[in-house]
Amino acid sequence: EDKVVQSPLSLVVHEGDTVTLNCSYEVTNFRSLLWYKQEKKAPTFLFMLTSSGIEKKSGRLSSILDKKELFSILNITATQTGDSAVYLCAVGLGFGNEKLTFGTGTRLTIIP
Amino acid sequence: GAVVSQHPSRVICKSGTSVKIECRSLDFQATTMFWYRQFPKKSLMLMATSNEGSKATYEQGVEKDKFLINHASLTLSTLTVTSAHPEDSSFYICSAGRGATTDTQYFGPGTRLTVL
Repeated sequence: EDKVVQSPLSLVVHEGDTVTLNCSYEVTNFRSLLWYKQEKKAPTFLFMLTSSGIEKKSGRLSSILDKKELFSILNITATQTGDSAVYLCAVGLGFGNEKLTFGTGTRLTIIP
Repeated sequence: GAVVSQHPSRVICKSGTSVKIECRSLDFQATTMFWYRQFPKKSLMLMATSNEGSKATYEQGVEKDKFLINHASLTLSTLTVTSAHPEDSSFYICSAGRGATTDTQYFGPGTRLTVL
């Protein structure tokens, strides 16, 4: 059975701190790993990773994939209150437009 | 681009009634649409994959006769919860893929269903 595990389940930090969110997976026929941010409604896309060792960056967010160790991390530097959300990791058996298996998410709370 | 809408955003119904939720891709053609269910403080659980013009593929444990999916066009998929019960109360989210191999899924804003 395909499995995606995220840690920690929840995290509370002060504004300005740097956080690292973890995602490990055990799936057959891995093709891609995606990170989403979910606030009150539907998830919004952050990154899609398919190759090991290549960091993707978007502003204060960055992510990298290790296909040998079967995990990915999402880093957020200089956190702001607007970063408070649930961060979801999903693994695709195809690319992003195919079936995704989601982890349970990490609930991040940024205290002003 | 890549906007997905859902309607209604919130619905409250009586037990035993049926509820239809629409998912539309507004500015692209979606060859595949996905329906997810999310319980409070839990992750998204895939219910079914919907391909235009063919029968939906349901995940294990999802009753196809209870959750009817119709993908009538490249921009519209519907999920009908038949004979709804209180345990069907949940947040239902659809997503759509454009079909490009390097593209991602785009999520709708979700529909919160409450069955009394």
